[in-house]
Amino acid sequence: GDSVTQMEGPVTLSEEAFLTINCTYTATGYPSLFWYVQYPGEGLQLLLKATKADDKGSNKGFEATYRKETTSFHLEKGSVQVSDSAVYFCALSDPDGGTASKLTFGTGTRLQVTL
Amino acid sequence: DSGVTQTPKHLITATGQRVTLRCSPRSGDLSVYWYQQSLDQGLQFLIHYYNGEERAKGNILERFSAQQFPDLHSELNLSSLELGDSALYFCASSVGLAGGPRARGTQYFGPGTRLTVL
Repeated sequence: GDSVTQMEGPVTLSEEAFLTINCTYTATGYPSLFWYVQYPGEGLQLLLKATKADDKGSNKGFEATYRKETTSFHLEKGSVQVSDSAVYFCALSDPDGGTASKLTFGTGTRLQVTL
Repeated sequence: DSGVTQTPKHLITATGQRVTLRCSPRSGDLSVYWYQQSLDQGLQFLIHYYNGEERAKGNILERFSAQQFPDLHSELNLSSLELGDSALYFCASSVGLAGGPRARGTQYFGPGTRLTVL
């Protein structure tokens, strides 16, 4: 079945450092890929998405490129801020795999940014 | 704000009890999904409804059931509650079964209901 593997956390960075959170996936079809963010005590917010190979999703300075050849969707940000401290989830949906386009999530990566 | 609403925000109850969690999808969305987030299991898909019909089941216990009403809101019923059912329960909505090429599987999440079973 479909699966998502994320790098283990927590990741601790100083403000203005470069961020990479690795995500790889396994899927039988042609999935859409997502990054969701969960701030402390809050729900899941869609951060960015890519629906086909070579698409780049971007939002709030975060970027991720859908790499079919390496089955990856790594999240990057050039300069993190303290306000980016949260848990980041990589997820996939296989909307062509029948009527059930459920999201399959990775385990989440906690990011802590310090001054 | 995603446009998806969930009530209540917090729920504290005792073992053996039954609770109902409510979700209203974004305006125009026909699909509702329920997910459970727990420390040991992570985020797990429970069930999917589209326009009132059940479309898929995931790791949903037999003690749990759901329905989607004609106005498209959904309810998740949890019965014979156990300590291990304590978790965050999220609902999410999407435009439709696939949502077209731009949406393609995109789901928007509500703020969640935190269930504590004592």
